[in-house]
Amino acid sequence: SQQGEEDPQALSIQEGENATMNCSYKTSINNLQWYRQNSGRGLVHLILIRSNEREKHSGRLRVTLDTSKKSSSLLITASRAADTASYFCATAFLDSWGKLQFGAGTQVVVTP
Amino acid sequence: NAGVTQTPKFQVLKTGQSMTLQCAQDMNHNSMYWYRQDPGMGLRLIYYSASEGTTDKGEVPNGYNVSRLNKREFSLRLESAAPSQTSVYFCASTPGTDTQYFGPGTRLTVL
Repeated sequence: SQQGEEDPQALSIQEGENATMNCSYKTSINNLQWYRQNSGRGLVHLILIRSNEREKHSGRLRVTLDTSKKSSSLLITASRAADTASYFCATAFLDSWGKLQFGAGTQVVVTP
Repeated sequence: NAGVTQTPKFQVLKTGQSMTLQCAQDMNHNSMYWYRQDPGMGLRLIYYSASEGTTDKGEVPNGYNVSRLNKREFSLRLESAAPSQTSVYFCASTPGTDTQYFGPGTRLTVL
């Protein structure tokens, strides 16, 4: 079973708009990570947030983590056409020895 | 640095054939992983190797075997391919327990 569930499954926005996607998980985690996958490519790591952190920024990305609700959100500000991709959350649960469980992803399309 | 490399990029097999997917990393990482990705789904862990000389099952290990040949290389073998193993296979590595670095994937079709 998949640990992370993402919402929405798909998102279509115009350039310049913000994109927000959410991830919920079921068991206690060590950290939560977000990855991007361009069509037909491997995954690229975007950002990692640890269980004792509440918010993290990286460029146009902002990630929040609410461990009481077992949820996280990824915000991409001022979207560009190059942000078109699938975004996955991945959770490293306690004592997982680095193993990650991935959600099904959010497919984001940014139109010029 | 090439990062994580995978061969082959594409492969078509007939049911019952065997093959080995190769993965190598040049980042001196300790841990390596094999995932499969099916349409509309996230990645599911097949096997992993926390360090050289050790391997363990992941979420979907049936029908697969692995070998951690050395610190650089981690191969995935399908002994008798089945259509249900049609998927895209990704290898990944990590120095510790955090960020994973992914290869470009192998697209496998089993007829």
